[in-house]
Amino acid sequence: QSALTQPASVSGSPGQSITISCTGTSSDVGGYDYVSWYQHHPGKAPELMIYDVNNRPSWVSNRFSGSKSGNTASLTISGLQAEDEADYYCSSYTGSSTLYVFGTGTRVTVL
Amino acid sequence: QVQLVESGGGVVQPGRSLRLSCAASGFTFRHYGMHWVRQAPGKGLEWVAAMWYDGTNKYYADSVKGRFTISRDTANNMLYLQMNSLRAEDTSVYYCAREIAARPNLGYLDYWGPGTLVTVSS
Repeated sequence: QSALTQPASVSGSPGQSITISCTGTSSDVGGYDYVSWYQHHPGKAPELMIYDVNNRPSWVSNRFSGSKSGNTASLTISGLQAEDEADYYCSSYTGSSTLYVFGTGTRVTVL
Repeated sequence: QVQLVESGGGVVQPGRSLRLSCAASGFTFRHYGMHWVRQAPGKGLEWVAAMWYDGTNKYYADSVKGRFTISRDTANNMLYLQMNSLRAEDTSVYYCAREIAARPNLGYLDYWGPGTLVTVSS
């Protein structure tokens, strides 16, 4: 089971919107609506931002939204803020022997 | 409040064993599935192992299958990861994490510990 593919970096100015892609296969992202996204500030514990492709935990800002088309899932951050600067990882259920797989990670930089 | 605290990390020689522990508090441990996730230096997150809330099912990444064993002590709110035949590529920060209650067994992790570093080196 290979890691899901994400761009290494994405950047934007404060107030802008950015989108991070997460590409897998029909065996993971494309086969199930069980995609999640995590925000990870280095040195801290990762934080769940999205689950079930587009559901937000109650503590997550509505500036974060998720979607999926075919084998690619996406995370959109609207109204970019300095505190959004972090690493972001997607994850998917696979139904295979390696039951879950993470993406390669995307470093978001706020210019 | 929910707390997860890992321990047991350190420097170990290739081929040796190590057991990681995760102390859970602030929630009813026996009601939640638990996972181990790791991050090698400068690399991304990698899912390692999971155990259902009732202990009936355990799952492992192919990279650790046959070498690592996940277990839990519900009476003492502890999660463990027994790591045998360690390799240099197992060098990582290891996190324990809790599944969200609303959607069990899908790998959605809402609380994570601060992690413990395992270094495999001669």
